Amino acid sequence: DTAVSQTPKYLVTQMGNDKSIKCEQNLGHDTMYWYKQDSKKFLKIMFSYNNKELIINETVPNRFSPKSPDKAHLNLHINSLELGDSAVYFCASSQVRANEQFFGPGTRLTVL
Amino acid sequence: QKEVEQNSGPLSVPEGAIASLNCTYSDRGSQSFFWYRQYSGKSPELIMFIYSNGDKEDGRFTAQLNKASQYVSLLIRDSQPSDSATYLCAVKGITGGGNKLTFGTGTQLKVEL
Repeated sequence: DTAVSQTPKYLVTQMGNDKSIKCEQNLGHDTMYWYKQDSKKFLKIMFSYNNKELIINETVPNRFSPKSPDKAHLNLHINSLELGDSAVYFCASSQVRANEQFFGPGTRLTVL
Repeated sequence: QKEVEQNSGPLSVPEGAIASLNCTYSDRGSQSFFWYRQYSGKSPELIMFIYSNGDKEDGRFTAQLNKASQYVSLLIRDSQPSDSATYLCAVKGITGGGNKLTFGTGTQLKVEL
């Protein structure tokens, strides 16, 4: 299936731990994104990469570090997890400046 | 002031009625406007986009844009129970190389039998 995929779907961890979320798209897009959706359903852009180059870097704690090994993959590493990091994290992809962004299924992160 | 504002709802409409969802935005430089639908526990999916003043129709959905009033709306005709979801308004400007989407907090729509 052509899609945006994320792993894991659920992630439960303790405060202070380090974790990663992986994202892959096989749509041939050149731009990928990370979004955070909080408990009130507010969806906010965190990062965007175009052809492995960082083009959007919102005000996000530097504990969050995106990595794009190639244009089909965008991973998110989070250090020293905090309670407030609990949210659903969505990966998305698009062609650069295209109207439609395609979202992955989301990763529900719970920090205890 | 939030960049993109929506009433959180829930907005309840009877089956077959017209649902009207509204959105205002603060950045006059915004260039294109999007409506995404998100079912509970699922990811957002694009319904429509619009970038010119006026109406744009696609099936049962009509997007309306008024840049002077900084207002975007989505009308859903003949509402069905399957339309029950959260509708996210999003706005794109020139920041982030024209790739940055700024979302509102969404309006929950409930279509009742």
